[in-house]
Amino acid sequence: GIQVEQSPPDLILQEGANSTLRCNFSDSVNNLQWFHQNPWGQLINLFYIPSGTKQNGRLSATTVATERYSLLYISSSQTTDSGVYFCAGDLYNNNDMRFGAGTRLTVKP
Amino acid sequence: GAGVSQTPSNKVTEKGKYVELRCDPISGHTALYWYRQSLGQGPEFLIYFQGTGAADDSGLPNDRFFAVRPEGSVSTLKIQRTERGDSAVYLCASSLTQSTDTQYFGPGTRLTVL
Repeated sequence: GIQVEQSPPDLILQEGANSTLRCNFSDSVNNLQWFHQNPWGQLINLFYIPSGTKQNGRLSATTVATERYSLLYISSSQTTDSGVYFCAGDLYNNNDMRFGAGTRLTVKP
Repeated sequence: GAGVSQTPSNKVTEKGKYVELRCDPISGHTALYWYRQSLGQGPEFLIYFQGTGAADDSGLPNDRFFAVRPEGSVSTLKIQRTERGDSAVYLCASSLTQSTDTQYFGPGTRLTVL
């Protein structure tokens, strides 16, 4: 199956800083999504982004499917952005979503 | 309710016992997924339902694990003869039709096998 690598594994930011999280896939994927897991364990879908660029407030994401990677940008970070960010995708629309190990983000006030 | 709900939120059981975990998806969502998340890792796919049928159960680790969705809404994940290695957070998600739609996750059930 596909392998999903996320980097960096851990990131510590000062409030107000910007950051870029990366997700690499070993093979072509479909239905790429980014999720945020808050400190209480709740997973929230941030973007469904199989290709192209989307923006939602301070967050934006870009997927370059031909090069098998996706980026998540966080601007003007806030303490509430803390948590773990996951990317996930499936192979050939088989609904077997593969998640990366996540990037643990800590935003300090 | 407005979101995906899961019960119980916590379950502690002894090795060898049988457990059932319940998921209530968002009303009208035909697709339902079960995942398992161990500490420090991303969710691991277990099974996917489209309506009442298990469209993909390739992620179930062995035949001790079974899931049903008899009426196309509520789903139950069943684990027989639990082992300590089954301890994890079990997550349920639903989407409107299939994985091309946004997946909405429940809060999870934390299973601890002593």
